[in-house]
Amino acid sequence: SQTIHQWPATLVQPVGSPLSLECTVEGTSNPNLYWYRQAAGRGLQLLFYSVGIGQISSEVPQNLSASRPQDRQFILSSKKLLLSDSGFYLCAWSKGGGNQPQHFGDGTRLSIL
Amino acid sequence: SQQGEEDPQALSIQEGENATMNCSYKTSINNLQWYRQNSGRGLVHLILIRSNEREKHSGRLRVTLDTSKKSSSLLITASRAADTASYFCAKSRSNDYKLSFGAGTTVTVRA
Repeated sequence: SQTIHQWPATLVQPVGSPLSLECTVEGTSNPNLYWYRQAAGRGLQLLFYSVGIGQISSEVPQNLSASRPQDRQFILSSKKLLLSDSGFYLCAWSKGGGNQPQHFGDGTRLSIL
Repeated sequence: SQQGEEDPQALSIQEGENATMNCSYKTSINNLQWYRQNSGRGLVHLILIRSNEREKHSGRLRVTLDTSKKSSSLLITASRAADTASYFCAKSRSNDYKLSFGAGTTVTVRA
């Protein structure tokens, strides 16, 4: 069966510090991968998605970047965090496009001080 | 934007009652999906309904889709305390890898 892992579960970082959140998927090959951010009590905002190694599509211009160095690894990064980067970050995978369900990790709660 | 709107924003019901929430959207879709999110956790996929389908069932869940009204509803029958969660609809257009999520309905089931 397929599983998705996100880490860390919680993270507290000072403003201006770098960020690296990692997501890995097991049990499937060539998945579509997604990074979302969720503000408290709100819906999901799509940040990045990837349909293959090295292929990244950005949905929202911002202080973040994403990379996919391996087929089942998706990384969310920032060189300098802003207060507005606080939120709940979710990684998801799907097999195929929008006509397939997405499967989510348990998220990373990021607090910027 | 295709972002749908869920209605109501919040719903509180007694255990055993039914819960109904609605989702509207603005442009044509390929399919519409419903997800559940327990507090502090990731989303769990519940049901996918395609644009040529009108109703789908999964256990105590019933989803309807009315493409003429650009709306969908999720019905949870005989609710349980474990159904307490936020529920989101997500829309997909044809030839698109992305889903557009609404803001969600928060359901509280009182014992």
